[in-house]
Amino acid sequence: DTAVSQTPKYLVTQMGNDKSIKCEQNLGHDTMYWYKQDSKKFLKIMFSYNNKELIINETVPNRFSPKSPDKAHLNLHINSLELGDSAVYFCASSQERPQVYEQFFGPGTRLTVL
Amino acid sequence: TQLLEQSPQFLSIQEGENLTVYCNSSSVFSSLQWYRQEPGEGPVLLVTVVTGGEVKKLKRLTFQFGDARKDSSLHITAAQPGDTGLYLCAGSQYGNKLVFGAGTILRVKS
Repeated sequence: DTAVSQTPKYLVTQMGNDKSIKCEQNLGHDTMYWYKQDSKKFLKIMFSYNNKELIINETVPNRFSPKSPDKAHLNLHINSLELGDSAVYFCASSQERPQVYEQFFGPGTRLTVL
Repeated sequence: TQLLEQSPQFLSIQEGENLTVYCNSSSVFSSLQWYRQEPGEGPVLLVTVVTGGEVKKLKRLTFQFGDARKDSSLHITAAQPGDTGLYLCAGSQYGNKLVFGAGTILRVKS
């Protein structure tokens, strides 16, 4: 009965590789997000999709490409991984409530690039 | 420069003490939220405040939104070890995304 789930939980890979993180929510929410949390615990939004449509695309390298096959899923593909991509990536979802956007977060994916 | 400044960054206290965490900005927010994050997990929403001057209580936690909707505070009474975690404030500015503060790491020692 997990609300927002992500796989994998941990991802260790070499520089230059391509990897994907998957996210699914069973809350019936319309909007899904990807956040990056750095080593100092700062949480920053990367992308947001509303009903499969990209609505937020922050200043993120083109190597990061989100894909939303349906409104319950939002995956993140990363090409040519770099050392600086090491972080914890969180998926989140929210139901549209004007001016509020309460987030329900997944458990996170800890990405380590060697 | 962060849009939302949280203070203090770190707080280590004894069980039973009271504490306050602050979230300040020069910008106005349509709503402000507080989250708690435990190690290895995602942030969990504690409360949302929408109206300037609003006060909400959640057991031993009291949340206040400033009159001008530019700042907020979280007060914990009689802290317990289970309160240990990273506390994050996040604001919405009439858009469809949240801006997060840098967080306050709270450690409550028994």
